[in-house]
Amino acid sequence: NAGVTQTPKFRILKIGQSMTLQCTQDMNHNYMYWYRQDPGMGLKLIYYSVGAGITDKGEVPNGYNVSRSTTEDFPLRLELAAPSQTSVYFCASSRYQASAKGEQYFGPGTRLTVT
Amino acid sequence: AQTVTQSQPEMSVQEAETVTLSCTYDTSESDYYLFWYKQPPSRQMILVIRQEAYKQQNATENRFSVNFQKAAKSFSLKISDSQLGDAAMYFCAFTMNRDDKIIFGKGTRLHILP
Repeated sequence: NAGVTQTPKFRILKIGQSMTLQCTQDMNHNYMYWYRQDPGMGLKLIYYSVGAGITDKGEVPNGYNVSRSTTEDFPLRLELAAPSQTSVYFCASSRYQASAKGEQYFGPGTRLTVT
Repeated sequence: AQTVTQSQPEMSVQEAETVTLSCTYDTSESDYYLFWYKQPPSRQMILVIRQEAYKQQNATENRFSVNFQKAAKSFSLKISDSQLGDAAMYFCAFTMNRDDKIIFGKGTRLHILP
């Protein structure tokens, strides 16, 4: 049982490049989330999904896209990378709705630098 | 909109002492949940403690306890007998009943002094 895994751990992108951050969970959780954490700041929700085929915007969705074709996978796509997207990205999952149990299981994060 | 405020960017405590981290929140809802998450240098986020707003009794988990003041919209975390492994960023978080999302504060970095 690996929990939530994210790849890559680190990545440097040039401005205008695109990439996909991978996230996989093996806990059969319905809910999955993508957050970004800027230096000295808390986590901000980018996108989330309540089940396969269903996604919704969070607080800061601009510049990102997601898909959820399976329960296990929730990739985050960055199109036309910008320096403002330099951040640490966390994927998380939970079995229940946030309010029902609250516990989200987090991946180890991806540190992305856009130069 | 709901907000979570942590007014202490950094705190330090001597090993074996007690420390309290502050958190306030703003909501017009009456049915909600509050959490404290720990983020050690490994960056993995770990749930420390959870409090349901409808419960008057403060939650406790071993050395961790909260002081939940609903009227004041305050939710502080007390760590007793601080250990070196407690050094981390601590995030206060909030979610409303039937909501899919959790709102996080900016965090408090806790240093443990040997």
